[in-house]
Amino acid sequence: QQPVQSPQAVILREGEDAVINCSSSKALYSVHWYRQKHGEAPVFLMILLKGGEQKGHEKISASFNEKKQQSSLYLTASQLSYSGTYFCGTEKPNDYKLSFGAGTTVTVRA
Amino acid sequence: NAGVMQNPRHLVRRRGQEARLRCSPMKGHSHVYWYRQLPEEGLKFMVYLQKENIIDESGMPKERFSAEFPKEGPSILRIQQVVRGDSAAYFCASSQSGTGVRNEQYFGPGTRLTVT
Repeated sequence: QQPVQSPQAVILREGEDAVINCSSSKALYSVHWYRQKHGEAPVFLMILLKGGEQKGHEKISASFNEKKQQSSLYLTASQLSYSGTYFCGTEKPNDYKLSFGAGTTVTVRA
Repeated sequence: NAGVMQNPRHLVRRRGQEARLRCSPMKGHSHVYWYRQLPEEGLKFMVYLQKENIIDESGMPKERFSAEFPKEGPSILRIQQVVRGDSAAYFCASSQSGTGVRNEQYFGPGTRLTVT
């Protein structure tokens, strides 16, 4: 069962912040975040393992609450290059394939 | 280029023909995953392979689709007797390990299949 992402889309001005959420109904082992630009391959951003850790990639960070089976991706002081569709991929314990959400389209305008 | 390589990047086939998609994983990676993406949709898992073994093909249609990852050479996703519904982008990803932190999956540029 695929995770649920929200919101579906967000429009930002440069410098603004945004949060993208990813929720699963199943127990998770890890959450992977990717960004995909139109017509291109998904680009790996970060992986979070169970344990409630947080990670960062430039001004993009994420958290993973394993009790709630939720992960959030934080875009801070957004840049034009942050535009794209963000996908979360969830991995269940003792599994390896990723189930991807439907994606959140982020548009950053000057 | 040490990234995941896929070819061809674009493939046009007529209904009933065969499509053969190739994927070479990143250097040092022995785990390969195939995903399909329909326009404006997310990625759907198809199959997971290690060298000479299919580990999980639960996401792959049982008919017309097959995958292999031989001891030598790239992984191949084969679609026989293609239909218009097979038109999609097919992405290959590779990882160093099947679980844990080393299951970071890196994607290739994809093969965009168009069935006419």
